[in-house]
Amino acid sequence: DQQVKQNSPSLSVQEGRISILNCDYTNSMFDYFLWYKKYPAEGPTFLISISSIKDKNEDGRFTVFLNKSAKHLSLHIVPSQPGDSAVYFCAAKEGNTNAGKSTFGDGTTLTVKP
Amino acid sequence: GAGVSQSPRYKVAKRGQDVALRCDPISGHVSLFWYQQALGQGPEFLTYFQNEAQLDKSGLPSDRFFAERPEGSVSTLKIQRTQQEDSAVYLCASSSVAGPSEQYFGPGTRLTVT
Repeated sequence: DQQVKQNSPSLSVQEGRISILNCDYTNSMFDYFLWYKKYPAEGPTFLISISSIKDKNEDGRFTVFLNKSAKHLSLHIVPSQPGDSAVYFCAAKEGNTNAGKSTFGDGTTLTVKP
Repeated sequence: GAGVSQSPRYKVAKRGQDVALRCDPISGHVSLFWYQQALGQGPEFLTYFQNEAQLDKSGLPSDRFFAERPEGSVSTLKIQRTQQEDSAVYLCASSSVAGPSEQYFGPGTRLTVT
């Protein structure tokens, strides 16, 4: 039973347009959410996070939105650039536990076309 | 500064062999995590250390998997009597604090069991 789901395996957008990546979760104990970006042959790199006490967090071209009632979050990239082409993983944590482990989705491959 | 490093980057083992995978976290990082990533999937949690204490090993798939971090810095993930289903990328991550925070990943070790 996958607790974090990214239902779109791939997404293709034109350079300069908005990219929207979606993520759904089932575990109501999750209260901290992160997005990671991964290039081939490299480990995931942290991109942006959001605590469950917020519904939006913005960092430059990247914005994460959280809808707790729907157990849904999304990552918006605007404007999209060819260098954004990578696999994007959504991750969730039960933030108040000592473990700090993250539960990941299976990723969405974003392709930004010049 | 130096990031998380892992060695070897690639390992081919014959079924039944033992393997040892090494992780050098970012200096001073308290928390260290091991994840297993199968092809086309997201990282799956294996185990977590806070300094030298292994606080969570709930993700280890069998007693053939063993991890240690004896001095609270370098960690080794050992897999005994490797099986084909152990073939995956093994990712190590570290973070500076316990609890909710981003993790810094190494490039991973790709293990192929033939």
